[in-house]
Amino acid sequence: GAGVSQSPRYKVAKRGQDVALRCDPISGHVSLFWYQQALGQGPEFLTYFQNEAQLDKSGLPSDRFFAERPEGSVSTLKIQRTQQEDSAVYLCASSLVGASDRIAKNIQYFGAGTRLSVL
Amino acid sequence: SQQGEEDPQALSIQEGENATMNCSYKTSINNLQWYRQNSGRGLVHLILIRSNEREKHSGRLRVTLDTSKKSSSLLITASRAADTASYFCATDAGSGNTGKLIFGQGTTLQVKP
Repeated sequence: GAGVSQSPRYKVAKRGQDVALRCDPISGHVSLFWYQQALGQGPEFLTYFQNEAQLDKSGLPSDRFFAERPEGSVSTLKIQRTQQEDSAVYLCASSLVGASDRIAKNIQYFGAGTRLSVL
Repeated sequence: SQQGEEDPQALSIQEGENATMNCSYKTSINNLQWYRQNSGRGLVHLILIRSNEREKHSGRLRVTLDTSKKSSSLLITASRAADTASYFCATDAGSGNTGKLIFGQGTTLQVKP
């Protein structure tokens, strides 16, 4: 596709419900990132994939958060037993280069995000 | 936690005026980038400046970087109503990093027609 696509755009969940957020990166992009953006704040890093390998998950706030990218393309961020503090916009970004090329450039292309509201 | 501070948090100017926003960060970096975010949308990359560069231009954008002060500024000249958005600086920090960006809190710019 032309850009990074995320679905759904909006998700309302009851507290305790599991949710799955999908990201379709730009075709051929090696790197994929998930960020969480609270209202009025900048995005905060959650996790990073290089192809299908999850190389960094240091930003995941708890073990209720799980991400995968099994074939090195589409990624899913899953949140189990959602809590009110999980309410935020979840942004996915992809980048053409991998970590070894990072020093040259690391321009990330973002999707429009999924706005999660936990009631 | 986020890398640093941006100021001002909010800026309101008239069309045609220049807008300057500043960003400070905490750790050593490989590069610093500026992104724009329109309301309800994703972030769009504007410009990247490497740690060995001091100034960079792209169209109406001018970015400076002072690594001794760990600070950067973004200047938008001859602003337009369409420049209304939030602007974030983001740093790609140090060797061994996987490429994650660390964002500031952002500056909300309103350009009045």
